[in-house]
Amino acid sequence: EVQLLESGGGFEQPGGSLKLSCAASGFTLTNYAMSWVRQRPGKGLEWVSGLSGGGDSTYYPDSVKGRFTISRDTSKTTVFLFMHDLRAEDTAVYYCARGRSGSQYYFDYWGQGVLVTVSS
Amino acid sequence: EIVLTQSPATLSLFPGERATLSCRAAESVFTSLAWYQQKPGQAPRLLIYDASNRASGVPARFSGSGSGTDFTLTISSLEPEDFATYYCQQRRSWPLTFGGGSKVEI
Repeated sequence: EVQLLESGGGFEQPGGSLKLSCAASGFTLTNYAMSWVRQRPGKGLEWVSGLSGGGDSTYYPDSVKGRFTISRDTSKTTVFLFMHDLRAEDTAVYYCARGRSGSQYYFDYWGQGVLVTVSS
Repeated sequence: EIVLTQSPATLSLFPGERATLSCRAAESVFTSLAWYQQKPGQAPRLLIYDASNRASGVPARFSGSGSGTDFTLTISSLEPEDFATYYCQQRRSWPLTFGGGSKVEI
């Protein structure tokens, strides 16, 4: 059974940093692209990072480029999101999502989400 | 960035009725579009990919159509569990983008 379990959320002040982790099980991480998608309170979905299945390409929207970094540790079957220079507008639930096989940037499995709150 | 505009923002229907949701792209995404369902407090669920293909386990009452800039998600006969918010998403170009969502309410 495919499972994604996020951790590492919490409260941080503006300008601070946080690391989110996504523990993946039930599939081989190196065969799938992975992404992080966030949802601000009461708002819609926003994709914030993508990592190719080969692990050699990363993608970001302008809103987080230079501040967020996605990576993975295949030995630990974990995907990470390193977030720096956090802003109030980064407050959101962050979901880890697996790209669908064959069409890697549709998301067929999602974690339960982890809340990040940025406030002074 | 490709902007996706969903309409209506809210759709009020009764169980058993047909729901028709629209997603319009600011430029062509060909058929590189997906639909998701999200219920309060839950993660999204993939319903449709490549505009018209149902994801695994999705009931046949859900169907997707369209290409280019205009797409439709149709729920042929609403079941109680279908009342939720629906999002479209394109993967034609970076950055990946989602529409603002359409809420289907009783």
